[in-house]
Amino acid sequence: DMKVTQMPRYLIKRMGENVLLECGQDMSHETMYWYRQDPGLGLQLIYISYDVDSNSEGDIPKGYRVSRKKREHFSLILDSAKTNQTSVYFCASSLRDRDSEQFFGPGTRLTVL
Amino acid sequence: GEQVEQLPSSLIVQEGASVLINCSYTDSASVYFPWYKQEPGKRLQFIIDIRSNMERKQTQRLTLLFDKKTKHLSLHITATQPGDSAIYFCSASLGNYKPTFGKGTSLVVHP
Repeated sequence: DMKVTQMPRYLIKRMGENVLLECGQDMSHETMYWYRQDPGLGLQLIYISYDVDSNSEGDIPKGYRVSRKKREHFSLILDSAKTNQTSVYFCASSLRDRDSEQFFGPGTRLTVL
Repeated sequence: GEQVEQLPSSLIVQEGASVLINCSYTDSASVYFPWYKQEPGKRLQFIIDIRSNMERKQTQRLTLLFDKKTKHLSLHITATQPGDSAIYFCSASLGNYKPTFGKGTSLVVHP
């Protein structure tokens, strides 16, 4: 069953704490993405990974970093989380073709107090 | 950079009605336009796409029209059902792995 998984699904952190969001996919997709979704704003691209250790900034990378050491795993890290990083975070993956349908994970709802 | 606008922002219809969701983009170099559906509390799911060398694509009750000249797309959903209730997102891609999404159109279909 082809799928994208995200852990955890819900997370509450205090301002200044570090946050690790994890994403996995079992489709051997080369490309993976991290987005955040805020009410009324659609999806905003944070980072893209083209493959292992090949990452690129998206539209809103400030305050975030990523890690991809295996093709099937892509992590989003928030060092010293801020309250304005409260959001729903979605991971997605796609084939190498530059114009490919993306497969999305179920999302992680992060609250930073 | 690319900007994608969707109208309307919300729609409420009775079951069986047809709906039209409009999407416009700004960068004439965009080549790929996938649409996604997000049911309440669920992940985004791909529903249909079109490339810039096409004018029309149809799958089941969905018809996607593309006008390259005006940089405009329209998603037509016929015979709506309550299960069609969701937020629909248009996106545009330059073919550089960095798609831009619209803010979404919320569709509610009453039985």
